[in-house]
Amino acid sequence: DQQVKQNSPSLSVQEGRISILNCDYTNSMFDYFLWYKKYPAEGPTFLISISSIKDKNEDGRFTVFLNKSAKHLSLHIVPSQPGDSAVYFCAASAQGAQKLVFGQGTRLTINP
Amino acid sequence: EPEVTQTPSHQVTQMGQEVILRCVPISNHLYFYWYRQILGQKVEFLVSFYNNEISEKSEIFDDQFSVERPDGSNFTLKIRSTKLEDSAMYFCASSSGTPGLETQYFGPGTRLLVL
Repeated sequence: DQQVKQNSPSLSVQEGRISILNCDYTNSMFDYFLWYKKYPAEGPTFLISISSIKDKNEDGRFTVFLNKSAKHLSLHIVPSQPGDSAVYFCAASAQGAQKLVFGQGTRLTINP
Repeated sequence: EPEVTQTPSHQVTQMGQEVILRCVPISNHLYFYWYRQILGQKVEFLVSFYNNEISEKSEIFDDQFSVERPDGSNFTLKIRSTKLEDSAMYFCASSSGTPGLETQYFGPGTRLLVL
């Protein structure tokens, strides 16, 4: 099941710079997208979401961009901080469905 | 801030034994979910539960699995006869509404090891 893909297993960014995490999806029925952050031995923590009627949503240092024609979304973190080091999961849901479909995750490391 | 809690944090069991994983969802939430993550793999949906019945389930959620809301606060996942491949992190989640309208909030997980 590759409906949601995060092609970069890892990303390393210097503190203070921008982190950009990418996610692609194949199911055109997806209409709600979320980013979760996960530390080891903890559950996924909700970060930010976007509905398919929007192309951008911003919350503090986090911005999610949605390109429906390309079936692509990205999470921008600026400025990046050491506490942002974690695994980031992209997830999607389709209208009428209750399940979230997750990507494989991208491990983000913020270097001081 | 309200949060989803799960017990136990770790469980080790012998193949063929029954296990019950427990969750306390956020108190005003109406939808409850179980997901699992096998080591090195994606987080996978197992089942959703609303109004005291299963509302959606995946192919993984076969007859070996069952869910229950035995009282007003707990939500449980039972695996009747565990297999080696059931070893995974199991996450409970809850939401006040359906995805697309409301966010699912996850618990810290139960690490299940089947020997």
